[in-house]
Amino acid sequence: QQQVKQSPQSLIVQKGGISIINCAYENTAFDYFPWYQQFPGKGPALLIAIRPDVSEKKEGRFTISFNKSAKQFSLHIMDSQPGDSATYFCAASYGQNFVFGPGTRLSVLP
Amino acid sequence: DAGVTQSPTHLIKTRGQHVTLRCSPISGHKSVSWYQQVLGQGPQFIFQYYEKEERGRGNFPDRFSARQFPNYSSELNVNALLLGDSALYLCASSLGAPGLAVQETQYFGPGTRLLVL
Repeated sequence: QQQVKQSPQSLIVQKGGISIINCAYENTAFDYFPWYQQFPGKGPALLIAIRPDVSEKKEGRFTISFNKSAKQFSLHIMDSQPGDSATYFCAASYGQNFVFGPGTRLSVLP
Repeated sequence: DAGVTQSPTHLIKTRGQHVTLRCSPISGHKSVSWYQQVLGQGPQFIFQYYEKEERGRGNFPDRFSARQFPNYSSELNVNALLLGDSALYLCASSLGAPGLAVQETQYFGPGTRLLVL
């Protein structure tokens, strides 16, 4: 029940395209769903986060869609750029208990 | 403002040795969490400390221990190192206490890359 599933494992997108990463969880106690971006050799950096009382949150080119009944959430990166090439992790938490997905390696081709 | 800092950045040890990793949280943050990130996987929760007390522990053996100091910095200790302990060890800090109604965002440091030979 603590597991967070994430797909796809890797993703290749052309510059200007839309990148979509999906996550699913089981534990209904989770009440905070952040996405992290990680570049090689660096720690994860918070990208955007959502709480279950809203179905969508947008910040610039990044949008989280949240489906509480399906226990699924997704990250959409609009107008993907080569600089977005990184590994993306979804996470789910309650209190300070954070559970991370296995990650998606995104490559944006120029 | 300084973010979360960790030291050392890289470390090479041999099996059976002991290692101590250090973390300084963002100024004003009182909670520190430690994670292990094996290559190609997401971070796995090891410990969480708040006000010098352990508030959470992940599924790691007793060879792993940690502590938090009065200035909120923290150390992660690993005894009897195994090859499988090779990983990036991440520290994350946040403002408040566990159980808060409002979720506290965690901010990660750059990590310590540990290689066990």
